[in-house]
Amino acid sequence: DGGITQSPKYLFRKEGQNVTLSCEQNLNHDAMYWYRQDPGQGLRLIYYSQIVNDFQKGDIAEGYSVSREKKESFPLTVTSAQKNPTAFYLCASSIVGVNTEAFFGQGTRLTVV
Amino acid sequence: QKEVEQNSGPLSVPEGAIASLNCTYSDRGSQSFFWYRQYSGKSPELIMFIYSNGDKEDGRFTAQLNKASQYVSLLIRDSQPSDSATYLCAVKGGSYIPTFGRGTSLIVHP
Repeated sequence: DGGITQSPKYLFRKEGQNVTLSCEQNLNHDAMYWYRQDPGQGLRLIYYSQIVNDFQKGDIAEGYSVSREKKESFPLTVTSAQKNPTAFYLCASSIVGVNTEAFFGQGTRLTVV
Repeated sequence: QKEVEQNSGPLSVPEGAIASLNCTYSDRGSQSFFWYRQYSGKSPELIMFIYSNGDKEDGRFTAQLNKASQYVSLLIRDSQPSDSATYLCAVKGGSYIPTFGRGTSLIVHP
């Protein structure tokens, strides 16, 4: 079955801790994205990558980091510099192009404790 | 800054009625337009996409695009309680990066 897998589904972070959210896809898509969603809000772009070993900042990249060492994987690290990390994080992938849809993973809900 | 605007709602309609969801966008270079449905606590799933001016129908759903007015809409006919969800509008242009609106919450009451 092709798709995007995010893990874990729920994650709790202590103050000052870095945490990494996993995103793996087997759709053979070149483009991958990370979005953040806060209650009642739309999706805000954190980082995106359109090819292996290259990625670009989105609208709210501060306090986050990513890597793209493999086509299938695009992990997101939420660093201690991100002061308000509690949110729902969504990973997506697509074929690079204008007329292509994005496919989403099931999301990771991160909570600061 | 490319913007995609949606009324956050909630939009409340009775079962069997037509629900009309609207979206405007600021970037005239936008080329493709997507409607996603998101149930509470779940990830978005694609309902429809449209690239050309005019209407596109798929079952109970119709997407309408007017590039001159920078406006795209989604009509849901014969609304069902199972249609109650948040509907996200997404827009793509030359960068190939989807930009999302904040979504409109739809409530279909029996």
